[in-house]
Amino acid sequence: DAGITQSPRHKVTETGTPVTLRCHQTENHRYMYWYRQDPGHGLRLIHYSYGVKDTDKGEVSDGYSVSRSKTEDFLLTLESATSSQTSVYFCAIRSAAGAANEQFFGPGTRLTVL
Amino acid sequence: GDSVTQMEGPVTLSEEAFLTINCTYTATGYPSLFWYVQYPGEGLQLLLKATKADDKGSNKGFEATYRKETTSFHLEKGSVQVSDSAVYFCALSSQTGANNLFFGTGTRLTVIP
Repeated sequence: DAGITQSPRHKVTETGTPVTLRCHQTENHRYMYWYRQDPGHGLRLIHYSYGVKDTDKGEVSDGYSVSRSKTEDFLLTLESATSSQTSVYFCAIRSAAGAANEQFFGPGTRLTVL
Repeated sequence: GDSVTQMEGPVTLSEEAFLTINCTYTATGYPSLFWYVQYPGEGLQLLLKATKADDKGSNKGFEATYRKETTSFHLEKGSVQVSDSAVYFCALSSQTGANNLFFGTGTRLTVIP
């Protein structure tokens, strides 16, 4: 258990509203990631962070922003939600313990944009 | 760029059958390779990993060997159980600064008694 929690676990919102998803970790991992999971695509990287206030874009970053003001929290914001952002969102941390760069995932947030 | 191609599903097997899920990859350098498993309604769990050519990752009766010559990392299990029913994802770790994971599309396995 990598001590990762996500909130909320489920959310239904309307098109055009802002939404913020939270990822919280308890083990001081430097690297944190946001992925989205969609049928036929596996998981795709949205944004990642390599330290407090240090973030960068991933493969599918359009329409999303992130912030990391504390080591333990990584926030994903949809400034104006669209139906195409209906998805399951997973946060992950990268373990520094091994050579494999393995990642451990939170339980996910299911977001529905109507 | 980096990518993973995974066997399409769904796969349905009888209990105690042999399982193979094919995975091939394209990558620069020498990525680490992973299999993750997702049970219904849950997040992804790391099943096994391999960091270099000819490494064999194993866990819970599952195995996969890092084959550089065929750029493959096929998942196998000799005798599946109903409890193995899940979605399986092959992934590689990017060698760029993000070290993010690239995933295959997932293979849904259903094991029937």
